[in-house]
Amino acid sequence: RKEVEQDPGPFNVPEGATVAFNCTYSNSASQSFFWYRQDCRKEPKLLMSVYSSGNEDGRFTAQLNRASQYISLLIRDSKLSDSATYLCVVNNAGGTSYGKLTFGQGTILTVHP
Amino acid sequence: DTAVSQTPKYLVTQMGNDKSIKCEQNLGHDTMYWYKQDSKKFLKIMFSYNNKELIINETVPNRFSPKSPDKAHLNLHINSLELGDSAVYFCASSIQGAQGQPQHFGDGTRLSIL
Repeated sequence: RKEVEQDPGPFNVPEGATVAFNCTYSNSASQSFFWYRQDCRKEPKLLMSVYSSGNEDGRFTAQLNRASQYISLLIRDSKLSDSATYLCVVNNAGGTSYGKLTFGQGTILTVHP
Repeated sequence: DTAVSQTPKYLVTQMGNDKSIKCEQNLGHDTMYWYKQDSKKFLKIMFSYNNKELIINETVPNRFSPKSPDKAHLNLHINSLELGDSAVYFCASSIQGAQGQPQHFGDGTRLSIL
């Protein structure tokens, strides 16, 4: 089983649609969670951290279920500029205080007019 | 000012050559990383340094040798390049003890082996 698993998509949605991405992770000791966004031929950039209580940033909502080892990202009112690859990222410090990010393979989103 | 900068941005070279990629961060972070993103787009950590000390080495072939002259720099030297080394290499940095802190990435070095 992969450490971090995502549906690779691609997801093709019209502008204004709501789309949800899911991610599962295998290490129950994982300590922190993120969604990153990567545009074509660019570096990954932090979209948002994911907290146990769930958190929202504008049109983006992230949820974490530790019992099920499941993370989700919901995008409301999709914009053309949301087209990118969305990376589920889990931090497994392995008992140390240093971050070791494990990336999912990414979910490709294309928003069309 | 670019927070994490890598040079060169593109590197095209022949099999068997030795090459280096440089990385510098001006964020004042203590921890720096090298990642490899292959053709299938998987991003995998290679090395992590904290204050010039190696923290993570993810079973990378010893042809790859990171060097950190100070905490703001982490360079990657690759000996005897192979076709399978073709990938995009990303440098990143974060605050020390960064369990809950994100990493900031450079814009990548695209390495192509002929």
